[in-house]
Amino acid sequence: GENVEQHPSTLSVQEGDSAVIKCTYSDSASNYFPWYKQELGKGPQLIIDIRSNVGEKKDQRIAVTLNKTAKHFSLHITETQPEDSAVYFCAASMQGNEKLTFGTGTRLTIIP
Amino acid sequence: DGGITQSPKYLFRKEGQNVTLSCEQNLNHDAMYWYRQDPGQGLRLIYYSQIVNDFQKGDIAEGYSVSREKKESFPLTVTSAQKNPTAFYLCATSRGRNQPQHFGDGTRLSIL
Repeated sequence: GENVEQHPSTLSVQEGDSAVIKCTYSDSASNYFPWYKQELGKGPQLIIDIRSNVGEKKDQRIAVTLNKTAKHFSLHITETQPEDSAVYFCAASMQGNEKLTFGTGTRLTIIP
Repeated sequence: DGGITQSPKYLFRKEGQNVTLSCEQNLNHDAMYWYRQDPGQGLRLIYYSQIVNDFQKGDIAEGYSVSREKKESFPLTVTSAQKNPTAFYLCATSRGRNQPQHFGDGTRLSIL
């Protein structure tokens, strides 16, 4: 089955700097890659996703890049703000497959 | 997500007792999912359902049961056969296969 590895497990950045979180996946048939943000005591919130026919997608300060050859994808947050502090999860799934396989999460802390 | 309601927010179970977690949605989504989240780990799929009166086991279905009698509802029962039930349980919905999944705010289950 699919295996998703996520790094780093914790990340601290100065407010205003950029943060990058990386994930690798094992199954080349995976074609859908969402990113979720989870705040304390809440459910994960979908913040951006990408499909394998696209190499990059942006939404304001957030971007996701996908390298199908290397089987990795990354979340980039620019101009970080205190409200970006949370746990971020990557995930992957295959066409026609119900199952999302999640990474183990990255705790991002923005230092004011 | 305002369209997905999980209740209760906190639940306590005695040894040998079955408990049922509620998940209701008003998004008119066909698919519903149950995940378990343990500290420092990603989300793991327990059960999912694509259509009323049909559901499939996920990766960790042992000790759990579900029903899908209505499109809006997908209750999860944690049975006494689940030996380590303490966890954060998350319900999600999506329009269908390989579509974005949206999460409720979870139920935290603890053992007395």
